[in-house]
Parts: sequence; structure tokens; C-alpha cells
Amino acid sequence: GDSVTQTEGLVTLTKGLPVMLNCTYQTTYSPFLFWYVQHLNEAPKLLLKSSTDNKRTEHQGFYATLHKSSSSFHLQKSSVQLSDSALYFCALSDNSGTYQRFGTGTKLQVVP
Amino acid sequence: GPKVLQIPSHQIIDMGQMVTLNCDPVSNHLYFYWYKQILGQQMEFLVNFYNGKVMEKSKLFKDQFSVERPDGSYFTLKIQPTALEDSAVYFCASSLGLGGNQDTQYFGPGTRLLVL
Repeated sequence: GDSVTQTEGLVTLTKGLPVMLNCTYQTTYSPFLFWYVQHLNEAPKLLLKSSTDNKRTEHQGFYATLHKSSSSFHLQKSSVQLSDSALYFCALSDNSGTYQRFGTGTKLQVVP
Repeated sequence: GPKVLQIPSHQIIDMGQMVTLNCDPVSNHLYFYWYKQILGQQMEFLVNFYNGKVMEKSKLFKDQFSVERPDGSYFTLKIQPTALEDSAVYFCASSLGLGGNQDTQYFGPGTRLLVL
């Protein structure tokens, strides 16, 4: 069945440095990938989504490119800020009509 | 942007009692979801609901759980009876469609349930 893998549980970075959070997936259908961000005590919010192969998607300084050849949708930012500290979830849906599968999440901790 | 509301924000209840969590989804959305999140962990899918029926449910959706949306009002999650392991944050979400680009889910702020 469909699955999403996020390999890092916790990423700690100094403000101003670049970040990449990994997301790989498995599906036999045409994939739709999402990144959600969840700040402490808040609801998850959609950050990015894509279904187009090899096209970069950007929002609020974050970007990701869906690579179907490697089944990946890594989230990147060139310079992290303190306010980026949050839990980031990658999620997958497909055109088979099933619900979204979420990864285990990566906690990003940005320090001064 | 579109907002999903959840009532109450917090609920403390004695084990064995019944609890109903309420969700007011985005007005034109057709698909509704419940997720369970234990503190600091991933969200885990419980159930999704469309056209008055449960479409899919996970292993976490125990027999003590039920969902309904009577007459287009709140989408509710009822737990009867509650157990200690039901303590978690429950997120409601809604989406316009199920597959493809319409599948963006909008989440409510969550109900923090504590079972004593």
C-alpha cells in the first residue's frame, strides 16, 4: 500500500543556515505530495503541494520538487528563521481515491 | 482562508464516560476526516466520511468510536465508553474532493481530550 517515509525525527539548525527535510514515498498510482507545517499547539497547515514531476513548488520561502524517478519530495529552505521551528509532515495521496497518508514528521528546531 | 472549527478546545472526562467532539467543516467541503495525535507524534488517520457514510477507517477506529453529520450540521466523533488510551488531540479536517488537487485538507485547531 501507499506509504511515506521521513527519515529525520529532529533537525536542529542555527538561524540563517539552509535546511532540507527528506520525504520519500511509495505508491503504485499517480502521486500527489503535500507538506504540512504544525506549530506548537496549532493545527497543521498546508505549506506546499505538487503532482507535477520535476517542477519546483514554492511558498513562504520553502520549496520542494517532486521527483517521480526517485519517489522523493524533499522540503528545502535557503535560510531558516526562528519562526520556522515547527513539526513538518509530508503526506501522500493518489488518484485512486484513498485518503492521505502522513509521514511520522520531522521536528525542525532553529536556534539563535 | 477556509477555516475549520472544533468544539470544545479541551475536554476532561472520566474513563468509561461518553464524549462527543464537534467539528464545523468548511462550508462547501464534502469530505470529512478525524485524526488522532498523541503529543509530539505523527497524526494518525482515524476515519473519513462522505455523503453520510464512513468511507475508510483505520485500526485505531475502535468499535467504541462513531461518526455522523446529521442534517449537514456538525461532523461529530463520539467515543463511548472512553478509555485512558483515548487521551490525545483529535483533529478534524475537511476537503473539497478526495483525490488529486482537490485533496487539500483544512484542519481545525484540535480538541485536547484527557481521559482520567
